[in-house]
Amino acid sequence: AQSVTQPDIHITVSEGASLELRCNYSYGATPYLFWYVQSPGQGLQLLLKYFSGDTLVQGIKGFEAEFKRSQSSFNLRKPSVHWSDAAEYFCAVGPPGGTGGYNKLIFGAGTRLAVHP
Amino acid sequence: SQTIHQWPATLVQPVGSPLSLECTVEGTSNPNLYWYRQAAGRGLQLLFYSVGIGQISSEVPQNLSASRPQDRQFILSSKKLLLSDSGFYLCAWQADRGRRDTQYFGPGTRLTVL
Repeated sequence: AQSVTQPDIHITVSEGASLELRCNYSYGATPYLFWYVQSPGQGLQLLLKYFSGDTLVQGIKGFEAEFKRSQSSFNLRKPSVHWSDAAEYFCAVGPPGGTGGYNKLIFGAGTRLAVHP
Repeated sequence: SQTIHQWPATLVQPVGSPLSLECTVEGTSNPNLYWYRQAAGRGLQLLFYSVGIGQISSEVPQNLSASRPQDRQFILSSKKLLLSDSGFYLCAWQADRGRRDTQYFGPGTRLTVL
């Protein structure tokens, strides 16, 4: 079955510290991979996405993610966290190729990030 | 550039009352449209998707329905709300040609059923 697992429900880091949010997936083929961020009471904003090519993907707000096929993982990283990064982060996978009438994304349950000053 | 709007931003409704949430997209044509629900502390649940006017597919049986009366308008409705319908409702659009892979989300509607 297709699924996305974000093992950490809550993470707390100090401002300026590095961050890594984990994402593992189960999918029949190498899917398209996404990270979204959701601030409280807001919609989801796309941080970055991976389709093919370089396995290290750069996104907005200083985030990056690395695709590791052997581990079925797509972990999100940031070298130095800012207080404004406090939010909920969702990993999602979708079918490769963008074929068909629509593409169903499968979302993880999310990781809530708190940042201490 | 493309933008997506949702209306209203917040809504408090009594049990048994009707519901109508609206989503509109600007700057693109014939998008694929989606309705998601996010319950408190939970992930996203896909409710409906649409690939064109009048074409609605439901992912889960429920008390809600969706309609797409115009190309860039997607409406979520209910005849009689239940307490369990409370949640944060998100609309998303996706291009129907080219890179049909990324979904872009609206700001959401917070629905509280009392």
